[in-house]
Amino acid sequence: AQKVTQAQTEISVVEKEDVTLDCVYETRDTTYYLFWYKQPPSGELVFLIRRNSFDEQNEISGRYSWNFQKSTSSFNFTITASQVVDSAVYFCALSEPQGGSEKLVFGKGTKLTVNP
Amino acid sequence: KAGVTQTPRYLIKTRGQQVTLSCSPISGHRSVSWYQQTPGQGLQFLFEYFSETQRNKGNFPGRFSGRQFSNSRSEMNVSTLELGDSALYLCASSPGTGIPYEQYFGPGTRLTVT
Repeated sequence: AQKVTQAQTEISVVEKEDVTLDCVYETRDTTYYLFWYKQPPSGELVFLIRRNSFDEQNEISGRYSWNFQKSTSSFNFTITASQVVDSAVYFCALSEPQGGSEKLVFGKGTKLTVNP
Repeated sequence: KAGVTQTPRYLIKTRGQQVTLSCSPISGHRSVSWYQQTPGQGLQFLFEYFSETQRNKGNFPGRFSGRQFSNSRSEMNVSTLELGDSALYLCASSPGTGIPYEQYFGPGTRLTVT
């Protein structure tokens, strides 16, 4: 069964601190996709990154970086030099493309508050 | 390119009533998925439609149904509303090629059942 666990419910940091959001997943498939989404107070989910199970290369995009480790079934997200605008709820999600379906299984989310 | 639109944005209904929510995907996208978001259960998958066919369904009672039209617009219906159906309902669209590309989410419809 698919499952995504985000153990950190809430994190509070001061601006310019680095912060890492943890994501652990469970799946029986060898082919799967992992995602991170951001949900600002406005409510609309914003796509951040997609990673497939065959690509363990870490990725950096500006202040954002992602660490994918299949050995520990983790896909962690780090924000460097956090800013107030990073305050949002962040969701990790898993998709197994069975039968062509693009169903996403989400973690419970981590609420990040960046204080000035 | 216009994003995913959902109507209405807010809705207040009474227990026992039914409700229909609408979603217009990004032009060219053929897959539409629906999710329910509540504080207790988080984001849960309701169903996915592709080319007017339901491609997958989540673990929700039969009171929840949906459909997709030939122009890829989708509607979901909830009959015999219960207090627990109060939630943010999010619609997402994607090209639908079968490889899970990023899904683009709409702003959601906030449903309150009293």
